[in-house]
Amino acid sequence: ELKVEQNPLFLSMQEGKNYTIYCNYSTTSDRLYWYRQDPGKSLESLFVLLSNGAVKQEGRLMASLDTKARLSTLHITAAVHDLSATYFCAVEDAGDDKIIFGKGTRLHILP
Amino acid sequence: NAGVMQNPRHLVRRRGQEARLRCSPMKGHSHVYWYRQLPEEGLKFMVYLQKENIIDESGMPKERFSAEFPKEGPSILRIQQVVRGDSAAYFCASSPVSSITPRYFGPGTRLTVT
Repeated sequence: ELKVEQNPLFLSMQEGKNYTIYCNYSTTSDRLYWYRQDPGKSLESLFVLLSNGAVKQEGRLMASLDTKARLSTLHITAAVHDLSATYFCAVEDAGDDKIIFGKGTRLHILP
Repeated sequence: NAGVMQNPRHLVRRRGQEARLRCSPMKGHSHVYWYRQLPEEGLKFMVYLQKENIIDESGMPKERFSAEFPKEGPSILRIQQVVRGDSAAYFCASSPVSSITPRYFGPGTRLTVT
């Protein structure tokens, strides 16, 4: 059974700092998704990572995938308050057309 | 192109009543997925449907829960005889045939059981 673990689950940081959220998963997969969720809202797709070594960047967020280590990272550069949200990684179960979510990382950026 | 639509957005039911949640996928999408999110938790897969077929219902509780995606009309998640533990946000997502495209999520239905 595919398990997806994120850490940390909660992160409070100052504006302007850099930090990384980690997503580990337990079985083979080469499709990984990052989503953002604001309180009371739905999920917004941020990145889709489809192959080993994939790196994608959008603004202050950069995501990468290492399928051999079964690890994805979401790096935040020079954080700003607007990035405060919960970030989920989700992994597609190989051969089984559904995605399994991590518990999410609640990011709180202090002005 | 309208996104995934869900209604109602908020639903309050008393214990023992039925809850019916609707999901209209994006135009051209024939795959629908239902997820449940408990407070402070991630999303848990419930069921995956294509038109007129349940493909995977491994995440659905065996009793009281059912889902359908008829040839015409929205997908419906039905919860019979609701209990307080059913209170959660229920999200629907849709995809076209290719699963490479990320699932597009609807705004969710927040079910409160009193």
